[in-house]
Amino acid sequence: GDSVTQMEGPVTLSEEAFLTINCTYTATGYPSLFWYVQYPGEGLQLLLKATKADDKGSNKGFEATYRKETTSFHLEKGSVQVSDSAVYFCALKGGGYNKLIFGAGTRLAVHP
Amino acid sequence: KAGVTQTPRYLIKTRGQQVTLSCSPISGHRSVSWYQQTPGQGLQFLFEYFSETQRNKGNFPGRFSGRQFSNSRSEMNVSTLELGDSALYLCASSLDRGSPGEKLFFGSGTQLSVL
Repeated sequence: GDSVTQMEGPVTLSEEAFLTINCTYTATGYPSLFWYVQYPGEGLQLLLKATKADDKGSNKGFEATYRKETTSFHLEKGSVQVSDSAVYFCALKGGGYNKLIFGAGTRLAVHP
Repeated sequence: KAGVTQTPRYLIKTRGQQVTLSCSPISGHRSVSWYQQTPGQGLQFLFEYFSETQRNKGNFPGRFSGRQFSNSRSEMNVSTLELGDSALYLCASSLDRGSPGEKLFFGSGTQLSVL
């Protein structure tokens, strides 16, 4: 079945460091790919998305490119802030209506 | 525009009891889906409702059930609670225009603790 694999955390960075969180997927067909973020005590918020190969999703300085050849959707940000500390989830949506399949999540901690 | 509202925010139950959680989607949204979040299993899809019909179901036992009302509000029920049912239950709604990149809006969740 479809699945998503994320790099394990926690990821600890200093403010203004470069961030990469790896995400790879296994799916039949052509899924849509998403990054969601979860702040403490809150639900999930959509960070960015891509619906076809070579699409780049971007939002709030974060970027991810849908790479079909490597089945990857790595999240990057050039300069992280303390306020970016949260748990990040990579997810895919195949043909099953609004069923999202999530990765395990990667906790990011950014220190001043 | 109000977001997805889940009630209650916290629940404490004992084994063997049953529980009902409520979700009010964003106005105009017709699809409501439910997810279970635990430290061990992560985020797992429970089921999705659209126009009062369940159209997709995850791999959970029959103790987990749900329904959707004509105003799109949804409830999920867990009967005969087990310790392993302790989790954050998240509800998400969407307009459901059928597009691949359809955005799901999540509520803050109901934290269920089973003692």
